[in-house]
Amino acid sequence: DTGVSQDPRHKITKRGQNVTFRCDPISEHNRLYWYRQTLGQGPEFLTYFQNEAQLEKSRLLSDRFSAERPKGSFSTLEIQRTEQGDSAMYLCASSLGTSGRLEETQYFGPGTRLLVL
Amino acid sequence: KQEVTQIPAALSVPEGENLVLNCSFTDSAIYNLQWFRQDPGKGLTSLLLIQSSQREQTSGRLNASLDKSSGRSTLYIAASQPGDSATYLCAVRRDDKIIFGKGTRLHILP
Repeated sequence: DTGVSQDPRHKITKRGQNVTFRCDPISEHNRLYWYRQTLGQGPEFLTYFQNEAQLEKSRLLSDRFSAERPKGSFSTLEIQRTEQGDSAMYLCASSLGTSGRLEETQYFGPGTRLLVL
Repeated sequence: KQEVTQIPAALSVPEGENLVLNCSFTDSAIYNLQWFRQDPGKGLTSLLLIQSSQREQTSGRLNASLDKSSGRSTLYIAASQPGDSATYLCAVRRDDKIIFGKGTRLHILP
């Protein structure tokens, strides 16, 4: 499979629990992005990695959220003490960046749909 | 702050018709503009990417234009088919972020 994959595809959890999502980018891609999408809205940027370095974090990413990309390949997004407002689709994207400007196409995974009860 | 607006929010057209989806953005200082397709409950599929120096891109029945100075882009779909039914998202890029519109939900009537 040469596309971006995400696991799990669906997650139902109770408020207060911790959840972790995984994203596997296209193998040669050095850049990885996380987005959140709520119903009827476009995706909103959360954070971005170039290789293993986390270079940008949105103000949407509260202290309860943490993302890692330890070896510059797969990435994890953890939400601690989940709240009902965290219910959304979490999308991962990857790209191959060869210039200083970020202008290349991003390829999206299928997303992880989170429901917090 | 960059804002991206898509009009209309929803559109239904009979099969075979040509149609235009509109996207506007408030800050013309963008690297590129991208159109995506999203099927219900699925991720995003990139359709066309227009760099800031370009005015249009074409792929099959799709043509996207960009007028950076006026902050507008259109996605033209020729000879629409029921399989084109999906949500179409416009997104502009500057620095690390892509800013998305809310999308246009397109329904092609058989």
